[in-house]
Amino acid sequence: DAGVIQSPRHEVTEMGQEVTLRCKPISGHDYLFWYRQTMMRGLELLIYFNNNVPIDDSGMPEDRFSAKMPNASFSTLKIQPSEPRDSAVYFCASNLQGPQNIQYFGAGTRLSVL
Amino acid sequence: DAKTTQPTSMDCAEGRAANLPCNHSTISGNEYVYWYRQIHSQGPQYIIHGLKNNETNEMASLIITEDRKSSTLILPHATLRDTAVYYCIVRVGLTGANNLFFGTGTRLTVIP
Repeated sequence: DAGVIQSPRHEVTEMGQEVTLRCKPISGHDYLFWYRQTMMRGLELLIYFNNNVPIDDSGMPEDRFSAKMPNASFSTLKIQPSEPRDSAVYFCASNLQGPQNIQYFGAGTRLSVL
Repeated sequence: DAKTTQPTSMDCAEGRAANLPCNHSTISGNEYVYWYRQIHSQGPQYIIHGLKNNETNEMASLIITEDRKSSTLILPHATLRDTAVYYCIVRVGLTGANNLFFGTGTRLTVIP
């Protein structure tokens, strides 16, 4: 398996623009997580899905953030409108519930909002 | 919520064993100890996990004390590529619903 695939790897945009980050989880995994990493706050969970259904979005900072998982092989994290404080690295991870219960992470998307 | 305590940073000579400690004195009976690492500019990478027995895989060994209040990750022969931030995490096993709380981790620098 190619692992968790995120796109784009880098995104530079201007304040006020819409940003969409994409994630393809590992095939067969039933959980998908979106994390954000900044120097100030470290790595923090934004939202996670189980079988394509959002379970906990308490980490989503504001209504400007939204996430969807239309099918088992694709998820998006959208920021609209974007602000400079959204600049961070966004990671997607997937997990198969079971004895190992290991989360596998993508390479991340580095977002810069100017 | 931080359930683990780790040293902020450590150095290790290349080729020597790196021993990374972690305290988790409030660990519950159904919580596992997981170790991840994050090499600069990459996503976190799973290393190893355990409940109460010592574990070994191709990457590392995990030693958990009998009272389970602390553990040590051992990289037997550290290389320069092992330079990374290492995170010790406790979480309930057997359910994917528990996200990982990463904390600040230990920054390991392997010195040539």
